[in-house]
Amino acid sequence: DAGITQSPRYKITETGRQVTLMCHQTWSHSYMFWYRQDLGHGLRLIYYSAAADITDKGEVPDGYVVSRSKTENFPLTLESATRSQTSVYFCASSGGVLTGAPPGYTFGSGTRLTVV
Amino acid sequence: QKEVEQDPGPLSVPEGAIVSLNCTYSNSAFQYFMWYRQYSRKGPELLMYTYSSGNKEDGRFTAQVDKSSKYISLFIRDSQPSDSATYLCAMRTYSGAGSYQLTFGKGTKLSVIP
Repeated sequence: DAGITQSPRYKITETGRQVTLMCHQTWSHSYMFWYRQDLGHGLRLIYYSAAADITDKGEVPDGYVVSRSKTENFPLTLESATRSQTSVYFCASSGGVLTGAPPGYTFGSGTRLTVV
Repeated sequence: QKEVEQDPGPLSVPEGAIVSLNCTYSNSAFQYFMWYRQYSRKGPELLMYTYSSGNKEDGRFTAQVDKSSKYISLFIRDSQPSDSATYLCAMRTYSGAGSYQLTFGKGTKLSVIP
């Protein structure tokens, strides 16, 4: 199916464990993003990527690691999960200015992560 | 001061009412102005976008931009229970090399009561 998919949809993990959230898009979009969404804070950018092997920090990168070995995949890893990382995580993608696509990001359905 | 300010609500209206959602911004470099709709337990989806000052209409939805006042609005006419969602404004700046950056408001939660 075409689109952007995130897995898992729901995850419960224990404090201190490593957990990886997956994101896959089928459009060959150059740009991919990870956001977390929390009540009172809205969407906050964690990391973004302009292309395979090019990543950069966003507003709240501490405690997270990303990689992008292939254009279509952009996994987000919590190296040692903390309760403050309990949140809903959204992956998004964009083709950039030159593609002629609508001027916004396309979001996945999200991963609801609970750290206990 | 945040670059984009949006009243978080919540906003509750009866079915059939006209809804007005608003955002203010401070960055004059913003080019495109967007509204996203986010249903519960779903990702945000692009609802409407505009480039210049003025109005853009799509069915029951009208997006309005006033660049001189740095103010954007989304109007929903004849609101329906299916319009119940969180609405996020977003604004775009060009980042160079073909890329752009979106700045989001925190979202306004709307409930339309039958």
